[in-house]
Amino acid sequence: AQKITQTQPGMFVQEKEAVTLDCTYDTSDPSYGLFWYKQPSSGEMIFLIYQGSYDQQNATEGRYSLNFQKARKSANLVISASQLGDSAMYFCAMRERGGWGKLQFGAGTQVVVTP
Amino acid sequence: GAVVSQHPSWVICKSGTSVKIECRSLDFQATTMFWYRQFPKQSLMLMATSNEGSKATYEQGVEKDKFLINHASLTLSTLTVTSAHPEDSSFYICSAPGMSLYNEQFFGPGTRLTVL
Repeated sequence: AQKITQTQPGMFVQEKEAVTLDCTYDTSDPSYGLFWYKQPSSGEMIFLIYQGSYDQQNATEGRYSLNFQKARKSANLVISASQLGDSAMYFCAMRERGGWGKLQFGAGTQVVVTP
Repeated sequence: GAVVSQHPSWVICKSGTSVKIECRSLDFQATTMFWYRQFPKQSLMLMATSNEGSKATYEQGVEKDKFLINHASLTLSTLTVTSAHPEDSSFYICSAPGMSLYNEQFFGPGTRLTVL
């Protein structure tokens, strides 16, 4: 069963605009962590932001923020003031406490930032 | 930050040959490393968990005899694709959890394998 769902295969966003990337997850483990990674065309995986299941506040890292709605099991990534360099594939991932450190990835969302 | 390297960054080989890919943690020790495969326009699929000093743990559907993993030291894991065929052509990425605030995984730059 799919544990991480990203329903947006691709999105266009204008430079300087904000964009929200959707991510829903499924787990029965009470302790888990949610990650967002960026993968530019070069292929490297760049860690963006983390949200723990027990964290009371939504995570923020610079222009990245995570809209964590635990009851809905969603962890949407918000990128504010988009830049051309934000064009990339974005993956949501989950690590469960009982998962031995393994990450499970969603299908990804391709973001293209236009001038 | 923690750095993970991979070698080679790309390789082209003939069908039937074996290819070894190295994954190194440069500034930290990693008792566990993960190997992923990524086909074009798709997500990362976990192949196996590499454990230093013991056998790797393979995900369901991954042939352990075809994808040999060796984790001989705390900084090196190798993936050998044996008797490679064109369908094995893919982007192979390794990762290792670092001693960081979130214990996030640090990824290598990936190895693009093309089997002719």
